[in-house]
Amino acid sequence: DAKTTQPTSMDCAEGRAANLPCNHSTISGNEYVYWYRQIHSQGPQYIIHGLKNNETNEMASLIITEDRKSSTLILPHATLRDTAVYYCIVSRHSYTGTASKLTFGTGTRLQVTL
Amino acid sequence: GAVVSQHPSWVICKSGTSVKIECRSLDFQATTMFWYRQFPKQSLMLMATSNEGSKATYEQGVEKDKFLINHASLTLSTLTVTSAHPEDSSFYICSGPDYGYTFGSGTRLTVV
Repeated sequence: DAKTTQPTSMDCAEGRAANLPCNHSTISGNEYVYWYRQIHSQGPQYIIHGLKNNETNEMASLIITEDRKSSTLILPHATLRDTAVYYCIVSRHSYTGTASKLTFGTGTRLQVTL
Repeated sequence: GAVVSQHPSWVICKSGTSVKIECRSLDFQATTMFWYRQFPKQSLMLMATSNEGSKATYEQGVEKDKFLINHASLTLSTLTVTSAHPEDSSFYICSGPDYGYTFGSGTRLTVV
């Protein structure tokens, strides 16, 4: 699986948009970009994933560059409850035959402040 | 959405005893489940992949005789930490490959 690079930490004011970048320059054509977050002492929570088109759901938006070498997760209106470690992972989709394992990097620790 | 139920949430055991952790997929069938371990202030590390009806696949450096994995059905995978020692104290998390790789809530194991 391709490796990802994320900033170690970021701060965001409550109510503002949080933009979390991720580099994945060695991504393969059949690999998706997944985003998860982990709040302290809990299991990771799925946020969003995409292949090459931008995606949006009730939690966030995912912007993938045209060359797919990087992406940005956008939390449109961050709240204190969004404080967590955010992981960007690239992997084959779970529905493409044998499930592909997810390899977690160190992630970005997002601190949302008042 | 998909739910993975993991039990227990926390367990304290004496050194030398064994502990079983269960992971159930409640609303989807999982022929594969992933088991991770997370030490304090570190990221999740994949330990093994459990496969329904066959042997688990262990990551390099993980002792298969110490961490016994059984995938009894399409909805249940278990991890047994045998002869636990204090260095096995960690946060163990399972995951099922549904649409978004759903994770359990984790099990905090403390070996005293």
